Amino acid sequence: SQQGEEDPQALSIQEGENATMNCSYKTSINNLQWYRQNSGRGLVHLILIRSNEREKHSGRLRVTLDTSKKSSSLLITASRAADTASYFCATFLGKLTFGQGTILTVHP
Amino acid sequence: GAGVSQTPSNKVTEKGKYVELRCDPISGHTALYWYRQSLGQGPEFLIYFQGTGAADDSGLPNDRFFAVRPEGSVSTLKIQRTERGDSAVYLCASSLSGGMGDRANVLTFGAGSRLTVL
Repeated sequence: SQQGEEDPQALSIQEGENATMNCSYKTSINNLQWYRQNSGRGLVHLILIRSNEREKHSGRLRVTLDTSKKSSSLLITASRAADTASYFCATFLGKLTFGQGTILTVHP
Repeated sequence: GAGVSQTPSNKVTEKGKYVELRCDPISGHTALYWYRQSLGQGPEFLIYFQGTGAADDSGLPNDRFFAVRPEGSVSTLKIQRTERGDSAVYLCASSLSGGMGDRANVLTFGAGSRLTVL
């Protein structure tokens, strides 16, 4: 079963704009992670935020976590065409459970 | 190995046949996961091994699905009497451990095995 929902399901922006994706989940977590997937095969880990953290940065990525609302957001700043991919949030509590994902398209 | 290796990359079979999908995790990774992903969906958890034992098999859809990891490294996902609904990409991932610690919980995925049941 899937953990929760991601919003929006699809996002289309121009290069240089910021992209924000949201994730909601249902259960308690140890941490929340974001993964990226190109071409429907293999996922790549982007960033992990612990349940006691509220914000984390990695390069052009910024992740926030609100455990009271059971929600997280991923911000990609100054997007590039190469950022075009599907992005998934995943919650960890003994095992990693994924959301449905957001398809991001960045137009050159 | 340097990454998670999955074979075959593509498998086409007929309804009712038996299929085995293999996963070779990163050397030293004690935790190994299997997921299934249908088109347009997120990865769906199937089973997770810690060493040789299945720590959580709650995602296996029915008794036609079975997975083993006899020596704590390579794992095989076995599907009996395949059905058209089993068609999907089967993803394997490994991590240092299924326990505590940030890096221990980060999964490295293979490229997947695309199964098509005709």
